[in-house]
Amino acid sequence: QQQVKQSPQSLIVQKGGISIINCAYENTAFDYFPWYQQFPGKGPALLIAIRPDVSEKKEGRFTISFNKSAKQFSLHIMDSQPGDSATYFCAARAGSARQLTFGSGTQLTVLP
Amino acid sequence: DAGVIQSPRHEVTEMGQEVTLRCKPISGHDYLFWYRQTMMRGLELLIYFNNNVPIDDSGMPEDRFSAKMPNASFSTLKIQPSEPRDSAVYFCASRPDWETQYFGPGTRLLVL
Repeated sequence: QQQVKQSPQSLIVQKGGISIINCAYENTAFDYFPWYQQFPGKGPALLIAIRPDVSEKKEGRFTISFNKSAKQFSLHIMDSQPGDSATYFCAARAGSARQLTFGSGTQLTVLP
Repeated sequence: DAGVIQSPRHEVTEMGQEVTLRCKPISGHDYLFWYRQTMMRGLELLIYFNNNVPIDDSGMPEDRFSAKMPNASFSTLKIQPSEPRDSAVYFCASRPDWETQYFGPGTRLLVL
């Protein structure tokens, strides 16, 4: 019940295209859903996060869509750029817990 | 702030040797986490501390692994004796209560 399932495992997108990464969860106690971006040789860095009281959050080209009833959330990267090529992790945390539960990661490659 | 600091950045050792990884969290952060990242298993939480006290060490793979946090500005993760299957990138992360988790740059460990 603590798992967060992430798909796809890898994604190749043309420059200017839309990248979409999906995550699903079972634990209804989760109330904080961040996305992390990791470049090779670096630690994961927070990209954007959402709480379940809103269905969408946008920051620049990055948007989280949240569907509470389906227990799913997704990351959309608009106008994808080669510099966006990285591994993306979704995560979730329950208010009563202190640790994040991470998805398995998606390796995004944006072709020039 | 310099962010989470980890040392060494790279470590190569021989099987059976003791390995000590070090972490300096961001000042004022109450929580400290140790993660291990491998291609096969993704990001795994090993242990986390709150106010220097270990809260959950259920992710520590076996007795060869130990972690300490003697004060608010320093933590160590020790592997003794090390084995080739311990080869991974080890991340330290810190967080103020309820807020964003910040990762360090990681220590890349290779056990020959």
